[in-house]
Amino acid sequence: GAVVSQHPSWVICKSGTSVKIECRSLDFQATTMFWYRQFPKQSLMLMATSNEGSKATYEQGVEKDKFLINHASLTLSTLTVTSAHPEDSSFYICSAKVQITQYFGPGTRLTVL
Amino acid sequence: AQTVTQSQPEMSVQEAETVTLSCTYDTSENNYYLFWYKQPPSRQMILVIRQEAYKQQNATENRFSVNFQKAAKSFSLKISDSQLGDTAMYFCAFYFGNEKLTFGTGTRLTIIP
Repeated sequence: GAVVSQHPSWVICKSGTSVKIECRSLDFQATTMFWYRQFPKQSLMLMATSNEGSKATYEQGVEKDKFLINHASLTLSTLTVTSAHPEDSSFYICSAKVQITQYFGPGTRLTVL
Repeated sequence: AQTVTQSQPEMSVQEAETVTLSCTYDTSENNYYLFWYKQPPSRQMILVIRQEAYKQQNATENRFSVNFQKAAKSFSLKISDSQLGDTAMYFCAFYFGNEKLTFGTGTRLTIIP
């Protein structure tokens, strides 16, 4: 149990375009999901907390208008990187909380050309 | 704010040997949770083990066990009979209340055949 999926697993886009990443809890309902960003050889950096039916809570320094988060159902949260630029290239990971334990998706590698 | 420290950036051990990864944390809270996650080359974050601070008994999961020293704020992970598949980044993490998960910087573990 507690399986989290992400789609796509990798994406390449042109600078200035928008990219949407989906995070799904496959066998449970998740009122709270999280979005992380991970740079090479570093730990996970929390970007935002996504709550079903309400606005996401962003960490300090994360641009709300650039990283749009929608948690429209108990099994789906989406992260849209708007007007992507090369500096947005990174590995993005989502997680979903079951009671107090977070289970992670496999991640999405975004490359912006 | 809570902090998590992993003082061993890299470790290596021969296959079948035992290895211990260290983790210390700083908190003024009493009831919290500690986790070890592994991130193999696939970059999928996998829960290894969880410890509730109110439990004195150390958590175990097959070849993985922890040495939880609450007074010393120490939470080490022992991997017995190490296998090639244990090669990964290992992250120690702290959780309290409804706050975010706080990660350490990670330890890169290599199992040598």
